[in-house]
Amino acid sequence: GEDVEQSLFLSVREGDSSVINCTYTDSSSTYLYWYKQEPGAGLQLLTYIFSNMDMKQDQRLTVLLNKKDKHLSLRIADTQTGDSAIYFCAESYSGGYQKVTFGIGTKLQVIP
Amino acid sequence: DVKVTQSSRYLVKRTGEKVFLECVQDMDHENMFWYRQDPGLGLRLIYFSYDVKMKEKGDIPEGYSVSREKKERFSLILESASTNQTSMYLCASIEARSGRGTYEQYFGPGTRLTVT
Repeated sequence: GEDVEQSLFLSVREGDSSVINCTYTDSSSTYLYWYKQEPGAGLQLLTYIFSNMDMKQDQRLTVLLNKKDKHLSLRIADTQTGDSAIYFCAESYSGGYQKVTFGIGTKLQVIP
Repeated sequence: DVKVTQSSRYLVKRTGEKVFLECVQDMDHENMFWYRQDPGLGLRLIYFSYDVKMKEKGDIPEGYSVSREKKERFSLILESASTNQTSMYLCASIEARSGRGTYEQYFGPGTRLTVT
């Protein structure tokens, strides 16, 4: 079955880059996502990547996908205190009812 | 903007009570989901629905049921609440665009349920 793994916690200093890592097991995954959850709120989609891509850049965010190792990462450049949140890695595939499998979430703490 | 609303942000119920959590989306999405979120466990899918009156069990359906009488509304029901159902409950919806796009889920703000 599908499984998505990520570390629980990451702490960085303001202005540094943050790298959040994720591994997944389902080789049929078609889309991989990063969601952000701010305190007291639901999840919001940050960015996504198709499984046939290696990299996607969107302003301060860079997503890298290593399909061979089933490894996904999210890099946040110039991390700000407003980036403090829980980041969820997720995967889905193009069959079925669009079921999305989420990781447990990585809590990013940005130290001023 | 897509909006997913949940009936309550905070709810306190007693063990054995019947609990209804309501979720409404305003974008005519076909698919709706209920998750619970617990520290260290992430999001776990309870039930989902791909059409009115249709439902599918997720990964942890035990102790829960759902109802989808109208396309915009998806209800989660705890028939007899127990303390191990204390959790954050998140509703989400998604447009069914199989093979033609991404599956961005739009989430509600969550309901923090405490069962005492």
